[in-house]
Amino acid sequence: NAGVMQNPRHLVRRRGQEARLRCSPMKGHSHVYWYRQLPEEGLKFMVYLQKENIIDESGMPKERFSAEFPKEGPSILRIQQVVRGDSAAYFCASSPDKFLGYGYTFGSGTRLTVV
Amino acid sequence: GENVEQHPSTLSVQEGDSAVIKCTYSDSASNYFPWYKQELGKRPQLIIDIRSNVGEKKDQRIAVTLNKTAKHFSLHITETQPEDSAVYFCAASKGGDSSYKLIFGSGTRLLVRP
Repeated sequence: NAGVMQNPRHLVRRRGQEARLRCSPMKGHSHVYWYRQLPEEGLKFMVYLQKENIIDESGMPKERFSAEFPKEGPSILRIQQVVRGDSAAYFCASSPDKFLGYGYTFGSGTRLTVV
Repeated sequence: GENVEQHPSTLSVQEGDSAVIKCTYSDSASNYFPWYKQELGKRPQLIIDIRSNVGEKKDQRIAVTLNKTAKHFSLHITETQPEDSAVYFCAASKGGDSSYKLIFGSGTRLLVRP
C-alpha cells in the first residue's frame, strides 16, 4: 500500500525554464493538497485539488504557477519561467474525501533548485 | 488572516533533559493543532495532534497542551534522546470547510547533545 508518491525527488532548472512536479496520491484518494517550504521556513498551503477540479488555489502565486489533477494520472504542479525565489521543497498530501483534519501524510517532496 | 508564531527558533538541551516548544495562534476559530517533526532533507511527519475540545494529550515521551483562552499550545518532550534532534513545526487549522488548510509555524531546530 504505497503512500503518496512524488517525483522527481530533486529537480534542477535554469532561470526561465519550466518545472513540472508530479504527485501520485494514495490509492483510492481523489483529493490532493500542495504545500511549499522555502528554505528555513514552515510549509505554506498552495492549492487543493479534486479530480478535474481546483477547489482552492488561494495560496498559489498569481503568475507562472498552475496546478491540475486530471481524471487519469498524477497531479501536476507547473512552474513556468522559474526564478531563484522558486527554489524550495514542494510537498503534496492526499485524502479519500474532503480533508477532515486528522493529520496529513506528506509525500517525500520535490526539491527544486533554480540556478 | 490566521497566523501561527513559534518559539524558540533553536533549542539545545542535554540528553535526558526536557524540551518545550511553544506556539500561539491568532484565529480563535482554529480547532485542530498538529505537530510535525522534520529531519534534514526529509518530509515532515506527524508526531502528535490535539483538538480544541481537549486540554492535553500524551504519547509516551511526547505531550501537547492547549490553552484555548490564551490561544497557545505547547509541545513537551521528556527524557530527550539524540534521535529527537530535528526541526519541529506546529500548525493550526479551522474546522469545517477550511480544515485542509494548515497554517504552520516557522519551526524550532532542536539539538539534543549526547
